[in-house]
Amino acid sequence: GAVVSQHPSRVICKSGTSVKIECRSLDFQATTMFWYRQFPKQSLMLMATSNEGSKATYEQGVEKDKFLINHASLTLSTLTVTSAHPEDSSFYICSVLPPTGPQTNEQYFGPGTRLTVT
Amino acid sequence: QKEVEQDPGPLSVPEGAIVSLNCTYSNSAFQYFMWYRQYSRKGPELLMYTYSSGNKEDGRFTAQVDKSSKYISLFIRDSQPSDSATYLCAMCLGGYQKVTFGTGTKLQVIP
Repeated sequence: GAVVSQHPSRVICKSGTSVKIECRSLDFQATTMFWYRQFPKQSLMLMATSNEGSKATYEQGVEKDKFLINHASLTLSTLTVTSAHPEDSSFYICSVLPPTGPQTNEQYFGPGTRLTVT
Repeated sequence: QKEVEQDPGPLSVPEGAIVSLNCTYSNSAFQYFMWYRQYSRKGPELLMYTYSSGNKEDGRFTAQVDKSSKYISLFIRDSQPSDSATYLCAMCLGGYQKVTFGTGTKLQVIP
């Protein structure tokens, strides 16, 4: 499978600060990347679809001003959690759609970033 | 009713057993079906994907889709302790469409 990296793997921050999470596609150029959030014992919830060179598409209920997404290159997308609060503590996972992926929606996931807001 | 239902388990089996993991869904328009394996505190890893109804086999893994019953299954033969993980089913309407995930079934294979 494709290699996707995320940085950092774990971050602890204080309430009110901002945190940036990077997602890199190491095997291919990815026009489309996805950002998910996963709470304990719950399913992956899609937050937004990140498209290189254009604005991200956010799912209903996800605040675009709070979760800033920048897909500046074909191998890098960033998610910035602004003014983080304890309820934002979660496991954030990105995925990439390879060039052959759109037909089948095969997504390759990064290892995830554990965010804890104190 | 959730779009995708999956028993969270945990499911404990002895090493070497055949494991059956299942999901039901409500949207008959789903066309692509996937199974992901997720180890603790890691991102999901794509195991299998199938299009429409039928079976697909890959090594010890077999994925089945029964669209008439809106039911998909993943079978693991000769289960190993390294198979211990959470297995997520996922499905979508088609390319570029949102993927809907099940909550995952936690599997433990006991040596």
